[in-house]
Amino acid sequence: QVQLMESGGDLVKPGGSLRLSCAGSGFIFSDYYMNWVRQAPGKGLEWVAYISSGGTTIHYAHSVEGRFTISRDNGQNSLYLEMNSLRPEDTAVYYCVRDEGCAGGTCTDWGFDVWGQGTMVTVSS
Amino acid sequence: DIVMTQTPLSSPVTLGQPASISCRSSQSLVHNDGNTYLSWLHQRPGQPPRLLIYKISNRFSGVPDRFSGSGAGTDFTLKITTVEAEDVGVYYCVQATHFPYSFGQGTKLEIK
Repeated sequence: QVQLMESGGDLVKPGGSLRLSCAGSGFIFSDYYMNWVRQAPGKGLEWVAYISSGGTTIHYAHSVEGRFTISRDNGQNSLYLEMNSLRPEDTAVYYCVRDEGCAGGTCTDWGFDVWGQGTMVTVSS
Repeated sequence: DIVMTQTPLSSPVTLGQPASISCRSSQSLVHNDGNTYLSWLHQRPGQPPRLLIYKISNRFSGVPDRFSGSGAGTDFTLKITTVEAEDVGVYYCVQATHFPYSFGQGTKLEIK
């Protein structure tokens, strides 16, 4: 079935770095735009970053721009989030989220339809 | 950047009664392609969110028809005709018309 699975979450000190990974399965990964969305403990959802299907178009939330880097390897059906200069306010569950998909000139009309279970990142000394 | 404002933030409802959640955006969500990329998500405790409604009023696959979305421009509404026990949790609107994407603060639906 269609699935996303994140990994790489950990406890890290302020100023440290971490790399999150997300493995997609059950669908043609390279057809879909992808996002990272995070949720701090007890808080709402915050969009973090977006990458187009081919990786050529990237957008970030202002709160992470210059510190986080989103990338993908379509050959490995994988999405990544490189996080540097981490701050306590980056503490959250990080979700890998599927966005719109396009193939043969036809696109789905929807995004946010598939979410991983999330991986926890804790930034604390 | 677009700010999404949901009301109410908490909604105690009686089983079998209707519920309604409002979402307002600080700018029009009409895209250059003519579509409005406003979606509704539902999150139960301890689970990732799931998609309910996309492009204002389209129910996603498997979503019960007691859920409906409406609105245009900057004002949108999610309605549940008769609330069931499984509907508890937090509801979020999200706009994907403009970058950066943005979510509403969430509305907690609970049973009285």
